[in-house]
Amino acid sequence: QVQLVQSGADVKKPGASVKISCKASGYTFTNYYIYWVRQAPGQGLEWMGMINPSGGSTTYAQQLLGRVTLTRDTSTTTAYLDLDSLTSDDTALYYCARSSDRYSGYDYWGQGTLVTVSS
Amino acid sequence: DIQMTQSPSSLSASVGDRVTITCRASQYISTDFNWYQKKPGKAPNLLISAASSLQSGVPSRFSGSGSGTDFTLTINSLQPEDFATYYCQQTYSTPHTFGQGTKLEI
Repeated sequence: QVQLVQSGADVKKPGASVKISCKASGYTFTNYYIYWVRQAPGQGLEWMGMINPSGGSTTYAQQLLGRVTLTRDTSTTTAYLDLDSLTSDDTALYYCARSSDRYSGYDYWGQGTLVTVSS
Repeated sequence: DIQMTQSPSSLSASVGDRVTITCRASQYISTDFNWYQKKPGKAPNLLISAASSLQSGVPSRFSGSGSGTDFTLTINSLQPEDFATYYCQQTYSTPHTFGQGTKLEI
């Protein structure tokens, strides 16, 4: 069965970086795009970026450019989100998700990773 | 970026009611459009893709329609488990923007 399993919750201080993993199983990793979406407390869903696991090409949300990096390891079928220079505004539940192409809905999601940024 | 505007932002209804949520895109997006259900602490669940295609396992009381810029999600005969927040999303171009959400309350 298709699964996206994310790394556990993390607490970071302002200015630090966080790396979240998303381990994919139950399907051919390189055949599906991976997306990252976050939800701050009491807020809606924010699209952060996407990666094509096949070639590694990425697209990022404009407001995160320079702070976010998406990577993948095809040998372990794992996608990663790196977010630098954290502020309290980055406190959120972070999700990875997949779709079969860049125009389709996201049919499977990870369970979410809570990142708390606090001094 | 394409802006997605949902209405209403919140909605009160009762079990057995029929409800409709609308979403408008700021520009043409064909049918590259999806609806999700989200419950607190849970990942979003894809209900409808390509504007009107019901995902496998989603009850038939959910339906979607629309194309271009205007889209609708209809839930017939509301069940207790349907009380959640619903989000629309365009996947026509990146960033794949979401609507602000519609909270469906009892």
